[in-house]
Amino acid sequence: KAGVTQTPRYLIKTRGQQVTLSCSPISGHRSVSWYQQTPGQGLQFLFEYFSETQRNKGNFPGRFSGRQFSNSRSEMNVSTLELGDSALYLCASSSGRQKTQYFGPGTRLLVL
Amino acid sequence: SQQGEEDPQALSIQEGENATMNCSYKTSINNLQWYRQNSGRGLVHLILIRSNEREKHSGRLRVTLDTSKKSSSLLITASRAADTASYFCATDAPGYSTLTFGKGTMLLVSP
Repeated sequence: KAGVTQTPRYLIKTRGQQVTLSCSPISGHRSVSWYQQTPGQGLQFLFEYFSETQRNKGNFPGRFSGRQFSNSRSEMNVSTLELGDSALYLCASSSGRQKTQYFGPGTRLLVL
Repeated sequence: SQQGEEDPQALSIQEGENATMNCSYKTSINNLQWYRQNSGRGLVHLILIRSNEREKHSGRLRVTLDTSKKSSSLLITASRAADTASYFCATDAPGYSTLTFGKGTMLLVSP
């Protein structure tokens, strides 16, 4: 099976802009989670989607949002970008009760 | 929060030596998982140990779990330079729909 893919891989934006990141999970996986990783805060959970519904949400402001489509592909959107949003954004998909996460390569976002 | 915490934060060893990383957590779990992350890339699942298991092996990896102490350890034997990465533990706990990751241990293996 093909692994989790994320697009784009790299992105440069300026403060105030918005950005949309895309994630295609492993075929058959219905759960998609998003994480933000920075050197200072480490790996932080953003949200999880399962069958097009947000099932879990981390402690991030409303500028961070996401959605999942019927084919399980997911997007996350960050509006009104701030310098502190510069990070590696990781998407992971999961299928089973053991919740093993299969990660994509990430999107590295730089906000100038 | 029942987030796992890895110890040490960083570890530097020579090739051929063993590397041991520890993870502590706060609440009961269904299972505990270890992941590896090479610099700037996605995490890769290494091994899963269930709450009713005490030890598990996979190649050069050995994981132990002590639920009474709420702790786990990951041992990498005969380390190689290619093992240089960050290692994260993640817990699957009742009532949580997704895993909770720790902050990771950075392992540097020098040739």
